[in-house]
Amino acid sequence: RKEVEQDPGPFNVPEGATVAFNCTYSNSASQSFFWYRQDCRKEPKLLMSVYSSGNEDGRFTAQLNRASQYISLLIRDSKLSDSATYLCVVKGPGGQGNLIFGKGTKLSVKP
Amino acid sequence: EPEVTQTPSHQVTQMGQEVILRCVPISNHLYFYWYRQILGQKVEFLVSFYNNEISEKSEIFDDQFSVERPDGSNFTLKIRSTKLEDSAMYFCASRAPSQGTEAFFGQGTRLTVV
Repeated sequence: RKEVEQDPGPFNVPEGATVAFNCTYSNSASQSFFWYRQDCRKEPKLLMSVYSSGNEDGRFTAQLNRASQYISLLIRDSKLSDSATYLCVVKGPGGQGNLIFGKGTKLSVKP
Repeated sequence: EPEVTQTPSHQVTQMGQEVILRCVPISNHLYFYWYRQILGQKVEFLVSFYNNEISEKSEIFDDQFSVERPDGSNFTLKIRSTKLEDSAMYFCASRAPSQGTEAFFGQGTRLTVV
């Protein structure tokens, strides 16, 4: 089983749509979770951390279900500028802060 | 805003040659990382470095790879004898010492082995 699994997409949505990304992780001992955004041929950039109680940042909402080892990201009122690949990321078990990335879900927002 | 800088942005090298990828982490950061991303694939952890030594490494980071912090600012990744399959984007990242702080990534070096 892959460490971090995501639906590869692509998700093609119109502007203003709500879109949800899902992710599962294999290591039940994982403690820290993130969503990163990666534009084509660019570096990953942190979008938001994911907390146990769920958290929101503007149009973005992240949820964590530890029992199911499942993480989600919801984008409301999507903008053209949201077009990117969204990476589900879990902090590795070693304590040194290395990150384990999913392959990413590509989002394309159309006018 | 402080940032991680990497040079060169693109490196083309012949198979079997040695390459050194350079990174300047953010100045007050103490944890340093190298990741790679083969085209179309996921970002993969290579190595972490703390207190002037490797703290963790992945299976990818074999004897062909080495890292160094030769002075107070640079952090380098050396690939001793490049193979075609080493062609990838290599990202350097750094993190402040506090628990839970985010890792900042450099813009990457695209390595092409021909």
